[in-house]
Amino acid sequence: EVQLVESGGGLVQPGGSLRLSCAASGFTFNSYTMHWVRQAPGRGLEHVAAITSFGDNTYYRTSVKGRFTISRDNSNNMLYLQMGSLRAEDKAVYYCARARVATFDFWGQGAQVTVSS
Amino acid sequence: ETVLTQSPGTLSLSPGERATLSCRASQSVSTSYLAWFQQKPGQPPRLLIYGASSRATGVPDRFSGSGSGTDFTLTINRLEPEDFAVYYCQQYGASSWTFGQGTKVEIK
Repeated sequence: EVQLVESGGGLVQPGGSLRLSCAASGFTFNSYTMHWVRQAPGRGLEHVAAITSFGDNTYYRTSVKGRFTISRDNSNNMLYLQMGSLRAEDKAVYYCARARVATFDFWGQGAQVTVSS
Repeated sequence: ETVLTQSPGTLSLSPGERATLSCRASQSVSTSYLAWFQQKPGQPPRLLIYGASSRATGVPDRFSGSGSGTDFTLTINRLEPEDFAVYYCQQYGASSWTFGQGTKVEIK
């Protein structure tokens, strides 16, 4: 059974940093591109970042470029999102998701990130 | 970036009725790269349709997707109580993934 479990969410002050983790199991992790997708309270879905199976290519939405870094550890089946210079508008539930032909076939339950002083 | 506009914003229907949801793209989308998701409160999205018309594993056949170019449709035949939720379309193109703003299907 495919499982994705996020951790590392919490409350952080504006300008602060946070690292999200996603533990993957039930599939061959190093065969899949992985993504982070977020959802602000009462809002729709927004793609944040992607990383190819061996980490050789990464993609970011414009608003997080230079502030967020996606990475992975294939030996431990882990996906990460290092978030810096956090802003109020980064407040959201962050989901890790597995890629399936340009879409996302499995999602974690999400990690809440709150940016507030 | 391709913008996806979904309509209507809210659809009020009764169980057993048919739901027709629209997703219009600001530029042409490859049918291979158009998907639909269902989301219920407090849950992550669930993939329903990929490649515009292929059902994901375990998705009932009352869900169907169609369309091409800039106009895509999700149809739910004979609404069941568990189908009342928010639905999102999503596309991929030029290393960019975008979602529509969602259509809420509510019980009338």
